[in-house]
Amino acid sequence: DAGITQSPRHKVTETGTPVTLRCHQTENHRYMYWYRQDPGHGLRLIHYSYGVKDTDKGEVSDGYSVSRSKTEDFLLTLESATSSQTSVYFCAISGQGNEQFFGPGTRLTVL
Amino acid sequence: EDQVTQSPEALRLQEGESSSLNCSYTVSGLRGLFWYRQDPGKGPEFLFTLYSAGEEKEKERLKATLTKKESFLHITAPKPEDSATYLCAVQEVGNYGQNFVFGPGTRLSVLP
Repeated sequence: DAGITQSPRHKVTETGTPVTLRCHQTENHRYMYWYRQDPGHGLRLIHYSYGVKDTDKGEVSDGYSVSRSKTEDFLLTLESATSSQTSVYFCAISGQGNEQFFGPGTRLTVL
Repeated sequence: EDQVTQSPEALRLQEGESSSLNCSYTVSGLRGLFWYRQDPGKGPEFLFTLYSAGEEKEKERLKATLTKKESFLHITAPKPEDSATYLCAVQEVGNYGQNFVFGPGTRLSVLP
């Protein structure tokens, strides 16, 4: 987890409300990722970024948006949370495009 | 379609009982295969990267090997603190970023 923090670590929200999760890194790595982890599905890529203001969709991007205005911060937004978005969200970073290093995760519950 | 499978789904070992975990993959071109360890309530922790068939990496009681179709994580004389879920992931040559595919994991329990 060194160099990567996620906030909040836990959040409970209601269906239809907007939610923003933050990932912060101190490693100055170019690549940043958002994953969700669910039982039976493993880790699935939501969105990723390859530089400031450069982002692209992953496997399960519907209902999510991201922004990266600074190298160190990568935000994941659920515009209108649904119960199917209850999950554990992990941020990861990568320097040279190889191994990824993960943050501690955010547990999100949508009621 | 790229796919990563892991077996067994769960494994229970007695302390000191060596075994192996399997990661099988199908990608058109492998750029790298990665092993991670994940403890409950925490993010995956990076263990190894393997790039080509025949390559091996070791760390304490763990050794990872790679063939053209699969990778093995060998655990020698495990201890209870080795209990965790072990994940493998593959990265395909080509479109970087969205090509890191994770397997479902093997949940390892080492009993004292």
